[in-house]
Formats: sequence, structure tokens, C-alpha cells
Amino acid sequence: DIQLTQSPSFLSASVGDRVTITCRASQGIGSDLAWYQQEPGKAPKILIYPASTLQSGVPLRFSGSGSGTEFTLTISSLQPEDFATYYCQQLNDSPPPTFGQGTKLEIK
Amino acid sequence: QVHLQQSGPGLVKPSQTLSLTCAISGDAVSRNSAAWNWIRQSPSRGLEWLGRTYYRSKWYSDSAVSVKSRITINPDTSKNQFSLQLNSVTADDTAVYYCARGGSGTTVFRFDSWGQGILVTVSS
Repeated sequence: DIQLTQSPSFLSASVGDRVTITCRASQGIGSDLAWYQQEPGKAPKILIYPASTLQSGVPLRFSGSGSGTEFTLTISSLQPEDFATYYCQQLNDSPPPTFGQGTKLEIK
Repeated sequence: QVHLQQSGPGLVKPSQTLSLTCAISGDAVSRNSAAWNWIRQSPSRGLEWLGRTYYRSKWYSDSAVSVKSRITINPDTSKNQFSLQLNSVTADDTAVYYCARGGSGTTVFRFDSWGQGILVTVSS
């Protein structure tokens, strides 16, 4: 199975900051990567798939980039509702689809 | 707009069977371009895909190697829902269980709608 490693695992930032989360795959997956946001006590919500395409209704401050083995999720100007945990997921070598371990974004 | 509503017990005894149901509204379990998945989340395992069922002129299902011998995922077209059964559970199966919709082709594992999640605790 393809392993996904996210960095950092924890990120402390302030409203208005620009933040970037990285996801590295154990082998090349083209652009077959999705990003999800999970608020406490809720199910994950898809933000981006494939690697750089925003899903319908997702604010434009979110963006994704990358291909192959390295991907990034960027939030250009953090809003209070963005403080959550973010996961990457690969869809290339599936089944099984696999997820990163998560990045928890906290308010500084 | 699709809505997935999960139901089932939150407590299961060790060695018994975990059973959950996911009722679908706004879509059809038998739609040819959808797939219906079970995913769980725990602190030790993170997000883990368990398996799926889908209809492509006939019914298919497949599952993760880690649970393959213990899992059954079935559609119920009369109630427009699908179910998860996980046999011989242990404490390691304690997790929040989600149902989720996938697509077809390259989006088959793009999970665009999720159930609300049910915390299932395995304990005597």
C-alpha cells in the first residue's frame, strides 16, 4: 500500500496567516490526491481533488498543488472556521485508498 | 443533495459482530456510477478504508486486506441502504465508523459525502 506522510503534524497559526501543509507519497501517484478538512466531532469534508482542483463550494483561499510524490495544501488567509484537522488521501494505487496521518491546525 | 444516515449500536462485546447500516437519501445505492464505502477512524489507525459495495450491471464488493476475512458489506435496494458487518471484533476495532459515497472511474475513491459517524466501542 502507498504510504502518505504529512508535515507538520501540528501547526499553530493566527487568523489572517498563510499556511502550507505538505503530503509526501511513498511512490508516485500522479495527481491522484485529495485533501479533506475535518472539524471536531464531524466527518471529513472533501476540499480538493485531484491535487489542485477545488471542489464545489470550497472557498478560494484554499489551493492545492503538486504531482508525483509531493503535494501541498495552502490556505492563503486563515479564517476562524479553518482551524481543523486536514488529511491527504491517495486514490492512485487503490484499493485500498490510503490517508495521511493528519495535520491539526490550531489557533495561536 | 445526498444524505447518509448511519444507525447501529455503539457498544459491542468482544468476539461478537459489529453491525451498522447507512441509509441513503438523494441518491440510489444501485446507481451505476456510485460506490458505497465504509471507513473507520481511530487514534491508533487513523482513517482506514474498510471496504465498499457497488453496482455495475451486477453487484460487487471488496475490502481491505486487514479485515477481509471478517467483513461483509451488503446493499439493500428495497430500503436504499447498505450495511457493514464485522465479525469477531476485538478492542482494536474500537473506532468511529463512517459510511461514504464514492464515484466511478478515477473518482471511485473520492469520498464526497459522508455519514455522521458512529463511535463503536468494543468492550465487555
